[in-house]
Amino acid sequence: QVQLQESGPGLVKPSETLSLTCTVSGGSIGSYYWNWIRQSPGQGLEWIGYVYFGGNTNYNPSLKSRVTISVDTSKKQVSLKLTSVTAADTAVYFCARWGGGWKAADYWGQGTLVTVSS
Amino acid sequence: ETVLTQSPGTLSLSPGERATLSCRASQSVSSNYLAWYQQKPGQAPRLLVYGASNRATGIPDRFSGSGSGTDFTLAISRLEPEDFAVYYCQQYGGSPWTFGQGTKVEIK
Repeated sequence: QVQLQESGPGLVKPSETLSLTCTVSGGSIGSYYWNWIRQSPGQGLEWIGYVYFGGNTNYNPSLKSRVTISVDTSKKQVSLKLTSVTAADTAVYFCARWGGGWKAADYWGQGTLVTVSS
Repeated sequence: ETVLTQSPGTLSLSPGERATLSCRASQSVSSNYLAWYQQKPGQAPRLLVYGASNRATGIPDRFSGSGSGTDFTLAISRLEPEDFAVYYCQQYGGSPWTFGQGTKVEIK
């Protein structure tokens, strides 16, 4: 059974960098697109971007200038870095797997809450 | 960017009733790459339907998706107690991926 687990600091100060890791277990990291998606408290879902296992990336233009997503296939981990955070970046951050093509994001992590506050 | 508009915002129904949820796109969804997710409080979204009309693995057949182009529908034939949740549509045919704002299905 494929499992995704997000980890990282739950509190980040304004203007600093948010860093999260998604660890994949029970399945291969290869041949998949690994996404980060966030959900602000009580709000809807916002796609941040993805990294393909080979390293290609695609980001939401609204966050592109501040986002870096990378993959470490040896550790089966996907990382998210978001710079210059503000209170508007407070959200639950999910990682999710997409096989490409029509099958959509089929496996999601449980999510991790990141609060931006001094 | 493709904007997805879901209606209604809230659907108040009783167990056993049929639910019909709508998702309208601001432009045609490429290849009908439209998915539906169910989300319960404190949980991650769960994939129900992909490619507009294909049920994901393990999803009961009371859930069905339909539509193409700009108009899509998720139907739940007979609501079970565990179906009361928030439902989101999402398009993944173009970048950036976008989500609808959600429809809450609540117990009447």
